[in-house]
Amino acid sequence: NAGVTQTPKFHILKIGQSMTLQCTQDMNHNYMYWYRQDPGMGLKLIYYSVGAGITDKGEVPNGYNVSRSTTEDFPLRLELAAPSQTSVYFCASSYSGGGYGYTFGSGTRLTVV
Amino acid sequence: QQQVKQSPQSLIVQKGGIPIINCAYENTAFDYFPWYQQFPGKGPALLIAIRPDVSEKKEGRFTISFNKSAKQFSLHIMDSQPGDSATYFCAASPNPDKIIFGKGTRLHILP
Repeated sequence: NAGVTQTPKFHILKIGQSMTLQCTQDMNHNYMYWYRQDPGMGLKLIYYSVGAGITDKGEVPNGYNVSRSTTEDFPLRLELAAPSQTSVYFCASSYSGGGYGYTFGSGTRLTVV
Repeated sequence: QQQVKQSPQSLIVQKGGIPIINCAYENTAFDYFPWYQQFPGKGPALLIAIRPDVSEKKEGRFTISFNKSAKQFSLHIMDSQPGDSATYFCAASPNPDKIIFGKGTRLHILP
């Protein structure tokens, strides 16, 4: 049972480039989330999904896009990368949303130069 | 208000001591209060959680104290060990879909 798997673990992106961070879970969880973590700032919600085909914005969605075509996968797309998007990105999933524990992936450390 | 305020930002405690991390919220609609533990290079992991109908919950050496009237909750770690050194996040659920996190406390337990 792999839980939540994120790829890549590390990546360096040039300003203006685009990339997709991959997230997949094998627990048949309906809810999935993308957070970014910056030093001293905690975890900020970027986007979340309550099921396949349904996505919604979190606190800091600008510069990102998501899709949820299957229960298992929830990729995060960065368009026209900016230095402000340098961060550690975490994907998480939950059986039933805010009232239950989240399972987090191990993160993607992204640097935009 | 969709915020959870966490303090202190960092904490150093001698082995065997009892570190206490505090969180406060304003929205009385919050109904689930988890704590997450994060080791360097890893994702956060659920440590312990409480709902507002109880005032205290213990799991091993970890205890959550909850004060509904003051809208505050705290994490206590009994007999702290160097292996407890990590970043701790409190969180709260404003609605059934998601939770919001505090800014985290970096805890260091001296051997």
